Amino acid sequence: AQKITQTQPGMFVQEKEAVTLDCTYDTSDPSYGLFWYKQPSSGEMIFLIYQGSYDQQNATEGRYSLNFQKARKSANLVISASQLGDSAMYFCAMREGGSASKIIFGSGTRLSIRP
Amino acid sequence: EPEVTQTPSHQVTQMGQEVILRCVPISNHLYFYWYRQILGQKVEFLVSFYNNEISEKSEIFDDQFSVERPDGSNFTLKIRSTKLEDSAMYFCASIGLAGEDTQYFGPGTRLTVL
Repeated sequence: AQKITQTQPGMFVQEKEAVTLDCTYDTSDPSYGLFWYKQPSSGEMIFLIYQGSYDQQNATEGRYSLNFQKARKSANLVISASQLGDSAMYFCAMREGGSASKIIFGSGTRLSIRP
Repeated sequence: EPEVTQTPSHQVTQMGQEVILRCVPISNHLYFYWYRQILGQKVEFLVSFYNNEISEKSEIFDDQFSVERPDGSNFTLKIRSTKLEDSAMYFCASIGLAGEDTQYFGPGTRLTVL
């Protein structure tokens, strides 16, 4: 079974609009962490945001917020006021257990911002 | 801001040759990782390393692969006899002391096996 599922292989959004990238996860471990990474065409993996399973509030980092719905096992990324530079591949990822555990990645969503 | 660095950025090699990919993790970090991403696919975990030992490895990490921390700063991935299917982007990552949450990734090494 897939641990991380991203159901949107590609999305097109108009510049300045908000966009939500979907992510669901599957784990029976009560302690886990959820991540979003951005991969531009240059290839590097850029950390965006992190949510711990015990965190009471949704994580936010600038224009990025993580809509964490624990009962639904979803961790959607919301980008407010999208910019042309947001065009990239976005990966949802999870680690199970302690902070040093390996990270498991989803298949990614390619986001394209239209001017 | 400290960052993970990797060299080379791109390596081209012939099938059957040995390659060594190099990483310099963030200086006070203790846990180190290698991941790979075949073109157009998702990122896959290869191996984790702590206290000079492999702490976990995936089924991809077979006898052709090895890791080493030869000195206090470098962390290397060696592929002994490369195959065409080893062509991928290889990412190094590190994390500091327990309590930190984020693995920081290097910029990657693109390996092309001909």
